[in-house]
Amino acid sequence: EIVMTQSPATLSVSPGERATLSCRASQSVTSNLAWYQQKPGQAPRLLIYGASTRATGIPARFGGSGSGTEFTLTINSLQSEDFAVYYCQQYNNWPLTFGGGTKVEIK
Amino acid sequence: QVQLQESGPGLVKPSETLSLTCTVSGDSISSYYWSWIRQPPGKGLEWIAYIFYSGSTNYNPSLKSRVTISVDTSKNQFSLKLSSVTAADTAVYYCAKYYFGSGFDPWGQGTLVTVSS
Repeated sequence: EIVMTQSPATLSVSPGERATLSCRASQSVTSNLAWYQQKPGQAPRLLIYGASTRATGIPARFGGSGSGTEFTLTINSLQSEDFAVYYCQQYNNWPLTFGGGTKVEIK
Repeated sequence: QVQLQESGPGLVKPSETLSLTCTVSGDSISSYYWSWIRQPPGKGLEWIAYIFYSGSTNYNPSLKSRVTISVDTSKNQFSLKLSSVTAADTAVYYCAKYYFGSGFDPWGQGTLVTVSS
């Protein structure tokens, strides 16, 4: 099983600033990586797939990069609605696995 | 616009079988793959299984011995059964549409299942 490790666990950011979230895979997942956003009491929402392609309707301030074992989600100019928990997920190998999440909180 | 809705008992006794159904609207279930994912309270996400409308399935090895996923194309529904449940199976259970090559999208709102006597 591929283990996905996200860091940091919590990120404190001021509105309008940039947030940089990391995700590391225990072995290469090539570019088969997705990012999700989850707000309290809601289901996760797909943000990014293929490591860098934004899903339909996702604002341009969300960007993904990386390949192999190291990935980054960047959120530029954080808006109030962006404070949430973010998960990465690999779909290169079975079973599909998620990272433990990064909580982005207001500084 | 595809919408998914989970349904089933919110409370299950230890050692019994958890049964949930996901109803798909706005799309035919006879396409793509459909999946179950769970999230224990305050914790992360765990993929459980997927099914194709033809009945082809894939399970997480950690749960495979206890899980059955099935599809009813006439009702546009798919279902999850998890046997011999314990308190560790207490979680919000989500159903989602799964795209090979791009992940889970969209998700149902989720349903909390508590295992307790």
